[in-house]
Amino acid sequence: QQQVKQSPQSLIVQKGGISIINCAYENTAFDYFPWYQQFPGKGPALLIAIRPDVSEKKEGRFTISFNKSAKQFSLHIMDSQPGDSATYFCAASMLGNTGKLIFGQGTTLQVKP
Amino acid sequence: DSGVTQTPKHLITATGQRVTLRCSPRSGDLSVYWYQQSLDQGLQFLIQYYNGEERAKGNILERFSAQQFPDLHSELNLSSLELGDSALYFCASSPRVSNNYGYTFGSGTRLTVV
Repeated sequence: QQQVKQSPQSLIVQKGGISIINCAYENTAFDYFPWYQQFPGKGPALLIAIRPDVSEKKEGRFTISFNKSAKQFSLHIMDSQPGDSATYFCAASMLGNTGKLIFGQGTTLQVKP
Repeated sequence: DSGVTQTPKHLITATGQRVTLRCSPRSGDLSVYWYQQSLDQGLQFLIQYYNGEERAKGNILERFSAQQFPDLHSELNLSSLELGDSALYFCASSPRVSNNYGYTFGSGTRLTVV
């Protein structure tokens, strides 16, 4: 029940295309859903996050879509660029007296020029 | 530079040994988190400290321990090391006890047990 399942494991997209990464969770107590981007040799960096009271959040080329009833959320990267090539992690947590994050397994994105 | 400093960046040690990983949080952050990243397990939460006190515990082995000092830096101690402990160990910090606005990761310590 604490798991967050992420797919696909890897993704290859042409420059200018749309990259879509999906995540699903089971624990309805989760109420904060961030996405992290990780480049080789670096730590994960917060990309964008959403709370379940909204169905979509957009920041630049990055959009989170959230479906509370289906317990799913996804990251869309519009106009994907080679510089977006990285590993992306979805995560979930419960706002409360800890900041523990449950991470998905990660998606390695390669954007071909 | 994320503001979270981890040392050392790389560590190679033998099975059965003990190592200490160090983390200095971002200025003003009171919470420190430790995560283990391995190829087959992804990012696994180990432990959280808030202002010197243990706040949450994840799948942390009994051979591992951590503490947060009065100056808020944290150390993760790994003992009786096994080959399977080889992984990237990340520290992260946040201003508060909960994860209201996300937190900041360091660049990690790559531990190789041989």
